[in-house]
Amino acid sequence: AQSVTQPDIHITVSEGASLELRCNYSYGATPYLFWYVQSPGQGLQLLLKYFSGDTLVQGIKGFEAEFKRSQSSFNLRKPSVHWSDAAEYFCAVGARDMRFGAGTRLTVKP
Amino acid sequence: SQTIHQWPATLVQPVGSPLSLECTVEGTSNPNLYWYRQAAGRGLQLLFYSVGIGQISSEVPQNLSASRPQDRQFILSSKKLLLSDSGFYLCAWNRVTGWRTDTQYFGPGTRLTVL
Repeated sequence: AQSVTQPDIHITVSEGASLELRCNYSYGATPYLFWYVQSPGQGLQLLLKYFSGDTLVQGIKGFEAEFKRSQSSFNLRKPSVHWSDAAEYFCAVGARDMRFGAGTRLTVKP
Repeated sequence: SQTIHQWPATLVQPVGSPLSLECTVEGTSNPNLYWYRQAAGRGLQLLFYSVGIGQISSEVPQNLSASRPQDRQFILSSKKLLLSDSGFYLCAWNRVTGWRTDTQYFGPGTRLTVL
């Protein structure tokens, strides 16, 4: 079965700084890969997904992610963080079923 | 377009009372349906999933049960709630697409507090 690791439980960045959230997966083939965002008390919203093709994927809200097969990684990036980006971020792997990482909580300092 | 609803949004129940949470999906047919739970500060725990009417798979043994009486309706129930059932319950749906699991779309969630 596949597994997903988000090594950072909590990250704090200053508003306007760049952001990278890490995600590593384990699976024999190339699964579908997703990033979701969850604001407090709300459901999960899809930011972006990778199915095949171009390994750099653009998403909503200015986010992008890069699939690196050699590193089994799918890291999420944003060049300039806004205060409204403060939320919980989940990486997920879709193979026979969907597995979610434990999440990374992002705090944005003014 | 597709939408997913959950009802109620918040619920406070005493220990030992019954539970019924409802999830409905609009704008699609024969979706896969899922129930997840998030305990405070924790990740997502898959509780149940369903690939069709009357077809329920349980991921974690517990005092909760799920039913799918209609194609786009998914219900989470309990006969007697425990304190440990408190949490944020999320319903999700997706389509069947080959051997890999496609995008799951989530509802707004139900905050359950058991006192």
